[in-house]
Amino acid sequence: DTAVSQTPKYLVTQMGNDKSIKCEQNLGHDTMYWYKQDSKKFLKIMFSYNNKELIINETVPNRFSPKSPDKAHLNLHINSLELGDSAVYFCASSQKGAVAQYFGPGTRLTVL
Amino acid sequence: AQSVSQHNHHVILSEAASLELGCNYSYGGTVNLFWYVQYPGQHLQLLLKYFSGDPLVKGIKGFEAEFIKSKFSFNLRKPSVQWSDTAEYFCAVNVMNTGFQKLVFGTGTRLLVSP
Repeated sequence: DTAVSQTPKYLVTQMGNDKSIKCEQNLGHDTMYWYKQDSKKFLKIMFSYNNKELIINETVPNRFSPKSPDKAHLNLHINSLELGDSAVYFCASSQKGAVAQYFGPGTRLTVL
Repeated sequence: AQSVSQHNHHVILSEAASLELGCNYSYGGTVNLFWYVQYPGQHLQLLLKYFSGDPLVKGIKGFEAEFIKSKFSFNLRKPSVQWSDTAEYFCAVNVMNTGFQKLVFGTGTRLLVSP
């Protein structure tokens, strides 16, 4: 059983397009995260949601809009894609109060 | 601001060699520390973690790490590496933010083990 899943795994698109990445977790966790891993493998948190509410927003451009329809899902919508958005995006989840986070397989986004 | 430093960006070892990857953090509060591993083309997996208690933590696949509070360090070790240990290794510190946690990662160390 997949604990944290993301779709799609690969996404290739043109500059200026709008795209979405979906994340689902079946661990019963109440907190979910999006991380961005750049070409140098540096990982940085973007957002965190707890019970569908935004709790962490790390000064990400407002072209990025996370949406959490329920606590098992956290989707990432990106408007007006730019070359610099090319990266691997990882979703993660945890239980509030617990420290360990579980990561999804990542979505490799390539903007041409 | 909280930060994590991994001083070795690339490490190349032969099989059976011993490994030590450095990790230093900058955070004034109570810390929870982690090592994650990312095998080629795969997602991040938790290797080991330190919450409290014994500062020597044992993880999966023969890895261990030692938390030295006075040095703000959490170095990863393995006595004898294997080719299958080739991967990217990330140290991370858990930072509490208004009751919620976020992970701050180091820049990663790429380990290449030659057979």
